[in-house]
Amino acid sequence: GENVEQHPSTLSVQEGDSAVIKCTYSDSASNYFPWYKQELGKGPQLIIDIRSNVGEKKDQRIAVTLNKTAKHFSLHITETQPEDSAVYFCAASDTGANSKLTFGKGITLSVRP
Amino acid sequence: DAGVTQSPTHLIKTRGQHVTLRCSPISGHKSVSWYQQVLGQGPQFIFQYYEKEERGRGNFPDRFSARQFPNYSSELNVNALLLGDSALYLCASSLGPAGLSGYTFGSGTRLTVV
Repeated sequence: GENVEQHPSTLSVQEGDSAVIKCTYSDSASNYFPWYKQELGKGPQLIIDIRSNVGEKKDQRIAVTLNKTAKHFSLHITETQPEDSAVYFCAASDTGANSKLTFGKGITLSVRP
Repeated sequence: DAGVTQSPTHLIKTRGQHVTLRCSPISGHKSVSWYQQVLGQGPQFIFQYYEKEERGRGNFPDRFSARQFPNYSSELNVNALLLGDSALYLCASSLGPAGLSGYTFGSGTRLTVV
């Protein structure tokens, strides 16, 4: 089955700096890669996703890049703000009828004011 | 529009008891999935239901079962609770399977087994 690894496990940045979170996956059949943000006491919230026919996707301060050959994808947050502090999860799935998301272990991002 | 609603929000049970968790998906969504999130870990897939049929099952014992109703709401049942079942149980809804349309998660049910 799919195995998603996420690193580093914690990341601390100064407000205004950029943050990069990297994930690797094992199953070459995976072709959908979402990123979720989870705040304390809440469920994961989808912030951006990418499919395997696209190498990069941007949404304001957030971008995701995908390298299918190397089986890794990354989340880039620019101009970080204190409200970006949360746990971020990457995930992977295929697009079959019985697809399911496999999550990484998460990274705690702290943005220092 | 209401998001994914889960009930109850918190629950304390004793070892050996059973529990039923409930989930109402976003209106129009026909797929419901259940995930278990242990503290400090990513969510782990338990079940997916689409159009009231089980479409997938994760690596969980038979003590875990689920069903989806005609209105697309869903229940997760866990029998013979163990201390290790303590976790946040998340329900996610989507138009179809996750790879075709994204998941929206509820806020979860925090289950504590004592």
